Amino acid sequence: GNSVTQMEGPVTLSEEAFLTINCTYTATGYPSLFWYVQYPGEGLQLLLKATKADDKGSNKGFEATYRKETTSFHLEKGSVQVSDSAVYFCALSDRNYGQNFVFGPGTRLSVLP
Amino acid sequence: DAGVIQSPRHEVTEMGQEVTLRCKPISGHNSLFWYRQTMMRGLELLIYFNNNVPIDDSGMPEDRFSAKMPNASFSTLKIQPSEPRDSAVYFCASSLAAPQGYNEQFFGPGTRLTVL
Repeated sequence: GNSVTQMEGPVTLSEEAFLTINCTYTATGYPSLFWYVQYPGEGLQLLLKATKADDKGSNKGFEATYRKETTSFHLEKGSVQVSDSAVYFCALSDRNYGQNFVFGPGTRLSVLP
Repeated sequence: DAGVIQSPRHEVTEMGQEVTLRCKPISGHNSLFWYRQTMMRGLELLIYFNNNVPIDDSGMPEDRFSAKMPNASFSTLKIQPSEPRDSAVYFCASSLAAPQGYNEQFFGPGTRLTVL
């Protein structure tokens, strides 16, 4: 079946540091890939997405590129802020699998001033 | 758009009591999902509906849990009887299922359930 693997957290960075959160996936078909963010006390929000190989999703300074050859969708940001502290979830949706999203376990990011 | 609406936001109850969580999806969306989130188990899909029909309830933990979607704008998740291990945050999400696959899911703010 389909699955998503993320780097284990927590990740602690200083403000303005470079961020990478690794995500790899296993899918039987041609998935769309997503990053969601969950701020404390809130539901998950879509951060960015990519629907086909080599697509780059971007939003709020975050980027991720759909790499079919390495089955990866790593999240990056060049300079994190304290306000980026949250839990980040990688997810996939595979139309050939005919159903819902598969979420990764989440990676908690803490950014220190 | 008001987004996905969940009620109540917080629920504290005693073991053995019935609990009903409610969800109003985004207007026009045709898929609805119920998730449970805990520190130990992370985010778990409980059940999802497509056009008000339950498609996959394999994530429902046991017979104490039941979910209904009587119409396109309302769903409930019921736990009866509740147990302390049901304490978690329950999220509802909705999406517009398109022929090319499911689009992004939109999450509600969640219901924090505490069973004493």
